[in-house]
Amino acid sequence: KAGVTQTPRYLIKTRGQQVTLSCSPISGHRSVSWYQQTPGQGLQFLFEYFSETQRNKGNFPGRFSGRQFSNSRSEMNVSTLELGDSALYLCASSLAGFSKAFFGQGTRLTVV
Amino acid sequence: ELKVEQNPLFLSMQEGKNYTIYCNYSTTSDRLYWYRQDPGKSLESLFVLLSNGAVKQEGRLMASLDTKARLSTLHITAAVHDLSATYFCAVDINSGGSNYKLTFGKGTLLTVNP
Repeated sequence: KAGVTQTPRYLIKTRGQQVTLSCSPISGHRSVSWYQQTPGQGLQFLFEYFSETQRNKGNFPGRFSGRQFSNSRSEMNVSTLELGDSALYLCASSLAGFSKAFFGQGTRLTVV
Repeated sequence: ELKVEQNPLFLSMQEGKNYTIYCNYSTTSDRLYWYRQDPGKSLESLFVLLSNGAVKQEGRLMASLDTKARLSTLHITAAVHDLSATYFCAVDINSGGSNYKLTFGKGTLLTVNP
């Protein structure tokens, strides 16, 4: 059974640009959540999607957005990148929202 | 605003010893999660605790939840080097319903020495 796949693994972007990250969940999992990890702020919850609907969002500015497709694949987008957006972005999938989550390897975003 | 406090933040143990990591949180919740992260790696889900009094065990790790005290513990029994990692707890403020919104602790860096 394939795990959670995140692409790309590494990304370097310039301030002001936008970026789209992708997450393919485990087959059959309908809940996908996203997290940001930085040395300063630690792990923070970005949002959770279930059946193409965003059910919750963390305390992030509107520059951070996401969506989920009918096949449960999810994307997150960050517009007008800032240096502080440099982070490891993790995606996780689960059967139901509160059941055990499985994480992808993450996308390491560097903003220069 | 929900606050999640883990202690200790750094823990150096000898192999074979027992120790406990504590996770305190500031608001009512009966859903708590424990994760492990190896250096440079992603997160691994360890335990999902969904009610007061819940206890889960896997190998040398045992997690429990006391919702009245707003406290979860992760107990390590007879530590081995392979348990060296950072351990995070996370609290869900959306108890009830299947959706969730997590707040993480800062993590406990555990080093097990021979």
